[in-house]
Amino acid sequence: NAGVTQTPKFRILKIGQSMTLQCTQDMNHNYMYWYRQDPGMGLKLIYYSVGAGITDKGEVPNGYNVSRSTTEDFPLRLELAAPSQTSVYFCASRTSGRKNEQYFGPGTRLTVT
Amino acid sequence: AQSVSQHNHHVILSEAASLELGCNYSYGGTVNLFWYVQYPGQHLQLLLKYFSGDPLVKGIKGFEAEFIKSKFSFNLRKPSVQWSDTAEYFCAVNAERLTGGGNKLTFGTGTQLKVEL
Repeated sequence: NAGVTQTPKFRILKIGQSMTLQCTQDMNHNYMYWYRQDPGMGLKLIYYSVGAGITDKGEVPNGYNVSRSTTEDFPLRLELAAPSQTSVYFCASRTSGRKNEQYFGPGTRLTVT
Repeated sequence: AQSVSQHNHHVILSEAASLELGCNYSYGGTVNLFWYVQYPGQHLQLLLKYFSGDPLVKGIKGFEAEFIKSKFSFNLRKPSVQWSDTAEYFCAVNAERLTGGGNKLTFGTGTQLKVEL
């Protein structure tokens, strides 16, 4: 199993540009998550999905959109990039159930200038 | 809402020193507890977890953590650190009573550990 994979690893965007961060997992996990990590702030939940076709907002959803058309993929869309979206983005997944043990991807480092 | 506090933001130790990183959470019900480690430039990896049973749990690389319910704490320990333990450590808590959309993992702000030779 490759686990959770993310592309790209690095990206520089100009203000106002858009892009999609890709996330794929091959563990047949129902739950998938997007987090952003900023220095000294820990991880903040952006969006999550409990299964194909079902998504919901986390703590910091503004400026982002997601979709979940398949179990494997959970892309994160930035429509109008802003400097405040400079961060490291992590995708994670887990099985159903209440224990919430999550598996993380390698991250995407995004800089908006 | 649940919250997680990691009071040590930066810790510097010499090799072979003992380590204890604090983690406190606010939720009063049944919790699942995790410590994740993030080595420089890498993703988060699970270090250890507590679901139930023996409150002293052992993880990878000689780490252990003790769940003290009365203190709402889940402190991470290692008797003798190595240079390769330099990393950022995150405590995370899941409130098991909340299900479905409410079942979220809450992370602390992290502790940056630097081990000097």
